[in-house]
Amino acid sequence: DVQMTQSPSSLSASVGDRVTLTCRASQDISNFLAWYQQKPGRAPKLLIYAESTLHSGVPSRFSGSGSGTDFTLTISSLQPEDVATYYCQNYKSAPFTFGGGTKVEIK
Amino acid sequence: EVQLVESGGGLVQPGGSLRLSCVAAGFSFSDHYMEWVRQAPGEGLEWVGRIRNIAKSHTTEYAASVKGRFIISRDDSKNSVYLQLNSLKTEDTAVYYCAREASYDYAMDVWGKGTTVTVSS
Repeated sequence: DVQMTQSPSSLSASVGDRVTLTCRASQDISNFLAWYQQKPGRAPKLLIYAESTLHSGVPSRFSGSGSGTDFTLTISSLQPEDVATYYCQNYKSAPFTFGGGTKVEIK
Repeated sequence: EVQLVESGGGLVQPGGSLRLSCVAAGFSFSDHYMEWVRQAPGEGLEWVGRIRNIAKSHTTEYAASVKGRFIISRDDSKNSVYLQLNSLKTEDTAVYYCAREASYDYAMDVWGKGTTVTVSS
């Protein structure tokens, strides 16, 4: 099974800051990587699929990059509504494992 | 409106069974693969399993932690997907989400709000 490791586990940044979250796969998953945002008490929402394609309706301050084993999610200018936990997910082959998540807070 | 609504959660004793349902609306349900994901209290997301569409014979795949105990099925005539939970353990306590796989990708583009399963004596 592919193990997904996210770092950091949490971060605190100021409004307007550029924020970068990382996700590492234990083996090559090509670009079969999605990012989800989960706000407290809510269901997850798809942000990015195929490593870098923005899902419909997602603000353009979110972007994804990487391939193979190393991936990043960048928020170009952190907003108060971005407070959430972010998860990466491998979907190259089952089981479709998730990373442990990165909790993003406002400083 | 595209939506998924889960139901069937509740309190069950260890070793017991429960059947979760997820009803879809607003899209062509039969075309899509469907997935179940769970989240234990205070923990991250855990993929449970998926069921493909009729073109792929409704085949299923499961996480190792639930294989042999949980069964995913679907009834396209009712726009519904099900998760049968058997031989439940306390560690199965979680919010269970159903989700739709996008038609253009395997990412999960639509999620339900979840239903809570508590396994406790």
